[in-house]
Amino acid sequence: EAGVTQFPSHSVIEKGQTVTLRCDPISGHDNLYWYRRVMGKEIKFLLHFVKESKQDESGMPNNRFLAERTGGTYSTLKVQPAELEDSGVYFCASSQSPGGLQYFGPGTRLTVT
Amino acid sequence: GEDVEQSLFLSVREGDSSVINCTYTDSSSTYLYWYKQEPGAGLQLLTYIFSNMDMKQDQRLTVLLNKKDKHLSLRIADTQTGDSAIYFCAESIGKLIFGTGTRLQVFP
Repeated sequence: EAGVTQFPSHSVIEKGQTVTLRCDPISGHDNLYWYRRVMGKEIKFLLHFVKESKQDESGMPNNRFLAERTGGTYSTLKVQPAELEDSGVYFCASSQSPGGLQYFGPGTRLTVT
Repeated sequence: GEDVEQSLFLSVREGDSSVINCTYTDSSSTYLYWYKQEPGAGLQLLTYIFSNMDMKQDQRLTVLLNKKDKHLSLRIADTQTGDSAIYFCAESIGKLIFGTGTRLQVFP
């Protein structure tokens, strides 16, 4: 069974540009989560999808971040326009049930210059 | 509030036991997790414990949970150089609340 996959593994963009990160959860997992770790700090929750619906988006930092999960399969996280403080590692995780075991992808390292 | 705390560094000699400690604040946590992150790699689910358990053993790993004190520990027996990594404690309240991570360094 394939695990959670994320693309790209690394992205380098200039301040003001747009970047879209993609996450493919484990097949059959309705719950998909986004987290990020910036500046070597704690890994912080961003949002939680149940199928295509946003269950909890309390961790989204501002309106420059837009997450979608059309069709309830893969998800995208768009940052527009990117700022320097957005640099970090963005992780995606999925679980079968809300509150169930969360399996993480390898992360996307975003560098904004 | 939601807060998970860990010490930042731990250095042990190869073959010794490592104990990484974590405290959390939310008593409604369902699972408590330990994740491992090796350099350049993602988060690997190392082990987890249900909140109604006191202890879980899995080969070289032992997890102890003290719900009264909201204290979680991970013991690695016979620590090897391959165990060098950052270890994250996390509590699950639906979303995961992570600690800062403990960097374990194993020296020969």
